[in-house]
Amino acid sequence: TQLLEQSPQFLSIQEGENLTVYCNSSSVFSSLQWYRQEPGEGPVLLVTVVTGGEVKKLKRLTFQFGDARKDSSLHITAAQPGDTGLYLCAVGISSGSARQLTFGSGTQLTVLP
Amino acid sequence: GAVVSQHPSWVICKSGTSVKIECRSLDFQATTMFWYRQFPKQSLMLMATSNEGSKATYEQGVEKDKFLINHASLTLSTLTVTSAHPEDSSFYICSAGGQTTEAFFGQGTRLTVV
Repeated sequence: TQLLEQSPQFLSIQEGENLTVYCNSSSVFSSLQWYRQEPGEGPVLLVTVVTGGEVKKLKRLTFQFGDARKDSSLHITAAQPGDTGLYLCAVGISSGSARQLTFGSGTQLTVLP
Repeated sequence: GAVVSQHPSWVICKSGTSVKIECRSLDFQATTMFWYRQFPKQSLMLMATSNEGSKATYEQGVEKDKFLINHASLTLSTLTVTSAHPEDSSFYICSAGGQTTEAFFGQGTRLTVV
């Protein structure tokens, strides 16, 4: 079983529409991150949430960490073709000098012009 | 942020040959690096933890004799896919740093075994 379950797995919408991606787990986390990955590239960090109930905004993207710190959501307002990509939630532990990440199952978003 | 460079970006090799992928931290020292594998339309799965000066730690189900990891310096880890087969075709990504913040990822290497 996957530690982090994301839904939906695939999402195809028209430019201008809103969408929400969910990341759920039965475990409690001290923090959670969201990444976006484009084809042929490594993931790029979008945000880190650390406090239960926390809401962070990044332009048209709104991230929320659940009160119990078991789940998170990413809401995109007025999606644009440039938002197309694979969205991944992730939790991590420090290992040596680095951070080891466990990724969610991923949501492939396609925004059609 | 810190920069992690991976080389090559893509490689095509014949079945049965070996391929080496390099992961370098360009502006910081990395005693620990991670190697992930990603199949098409799937998420990243951790393969192994690369430790400078010691043996790598492999995740369950990853063959250590097939995926050789060497971390001989504080800025370089290499992953060698030995006797590659078509089922090894995948996107391999390394990461380093981010002990208390974000992890930094390489650009990834697309391996195609024909």
